[in-house]
Amino acid sequence: DQQVKQNSPSLSVQEGRISILNCDYTNSMFDYFLWYKKYPAEGPTFLISISSIKDKNEDGRFTVFLNKSAKHLSLHIVPSQPGDSAVYFCAARFNAGGTSYGKLTFGQGTILTVHP
Amino acid sequence: DGGITQSPKYLFRKEGQNVTLSCEQNLNHDAMYWYRQDPGQGLRLIYYSQIVNDFQKGDIAEGYSVSREKKESFPLTVTSAQKNPTAFYLCASSIKINTGELFFGEGSRLTVL
Repeated sequence: DQQVKQNSPSLSVQEGRISILNCDYTNSMFDYFLWYKKYPAEGPTFLISISSIKDKNEDGRFTVFLNKSAKHLSLHIVPSQPGDSAVYFCAARFNAGGTSYGKLTFGQGTILTVHP
Repeated sequence: DGGITQSPKYLFRKEGQNVTLSCEQNLNHDAMYWYRQDPGQGLRLIYYSQIVNDFQKGDIAEGYSVSREKKESFPLTVTSAQKNPTAFYLCASSIKINTGELFFGEGSRLTVL
């Protein structure tokens, strides 16, 4: 049962335009959402996150939007640059409460290609 | 330079052999994790550890074993009981168990011949 889904395996965008990567989730107990970026043969690196009590978080060219009613989050990259070409994973943390472990569940990833 | 070091980067194994993947971190992080990545799938959690001498099974622990004898080290053994071990393995760490933000190593690609 895939609780975090990235339904677009790939996305191609022209340099300077906006990239929008989407992620859907099913579990309402997720309380924190993160985006990771991964280059080939490297480990993922943390990009940006958002708490479930917010609907937007911005960091430079990257903005994450959260729509709790739709159980949907998106990552906007503006303007897109060729160096942004990578695989992007969304992840959600399960709120186990107290000192219990908050497990991360990852989506399948979306390959973003930004053309010069 | 602080970070996570995984070795080897590439590993080939014959069926029936156990292999151990190394993971070392000098970030002074308490929590460490092992994930597996397969094509078209997200990262799946194998094992995690919150403190030395303690570790817990993740979603796909069958056929794997770990140890946490030192804070800096969290090796993963892929045993012959793992039915489909060919994959990309990622080690990660975090300051505490609940922060969500993970720091990943560069990964180890295991191929079973």
